[in-house]
Amino acid sequence: GQNIDQPTEMTATEGAIVQINCTYQTSGFNGLFWYQQHAGEAPTFLSYNVLDGLEEKGRFSSFLSRSKGYSYLLLKELQMKDSASYLCAVPPPGNTPLVFGKGTRLSVIA
Amino acid sequence: EAGVVQSPRYKIIEKKQPVAFWCNPISGHNTLYWYRQNLGQGPELLIRYENEEAVDDSQLPKDRFSAERLKGVDSTLKIQPAELGDSAVYLCASSSSGTGYEQYFGPGTRLTVT
Repeated sequence: GQNIDQPTEMTATEGAIVQINCTYQTSGFNGLFWYQQHAGEAPTFLSYNVLDGLEEKGRFSSFLSRSKGYSYLLLKELQMKDSASYLCAVPPPGNTPLVFGKGTRLSVIA
Repeated sequence: EAGVVQSPRYKIIEKKQPVAFWCNPISGHNTLYWYRQNLGQGPELLIRYENEEAVDDSQLPKDRFSAERLKGVDSTLKIQPAELGDSAVYLCASSSSGTGYEQYFGPGTRLTVT
């Protein structure tokens, strides 16, 4: 089965850098997704990692270590609009859909 | 290109009443998902369709929930009768077939059962 663990809440200051960690346990690996979800809105895709290493996309970067079952989402130059929940999700092996973590609620303060 | 469309956006009903949600996926997306999301939790899959076939409905409470995707495009999720614990946001998502593809979510329907 799948087990995904990420911190429940984090707070960071505007302009700073924050790292949101995700650890997972899966019987097989088929990539890892990060989604952003603002309060009252649907999740939106941020990144998909299938190989080890860091992938940068503007202010957001995502890192994956398959051997450690670990990923993080790095947000730089934080803005108030980055206040949202960040969901880590992995698809189990086989043709099966995503399993989402509970999400990390990030609050950006001035 | 239009995204995933859902309606209604909000619904308030009394317990024991029926309710239905509608979803129109992104054109060309064969895979359609219905999720339920409780406050402070991640989305939990209820059912997944590949075209018109339900390929994963193990999490769907079949005594009161039903879903259909008759022509492999639009889908309807129904609850009959609704219970207080069904209050949640119901999200529809679509993607290209198979895993490893980005899922596009609709805005969701916020259901409140009183």
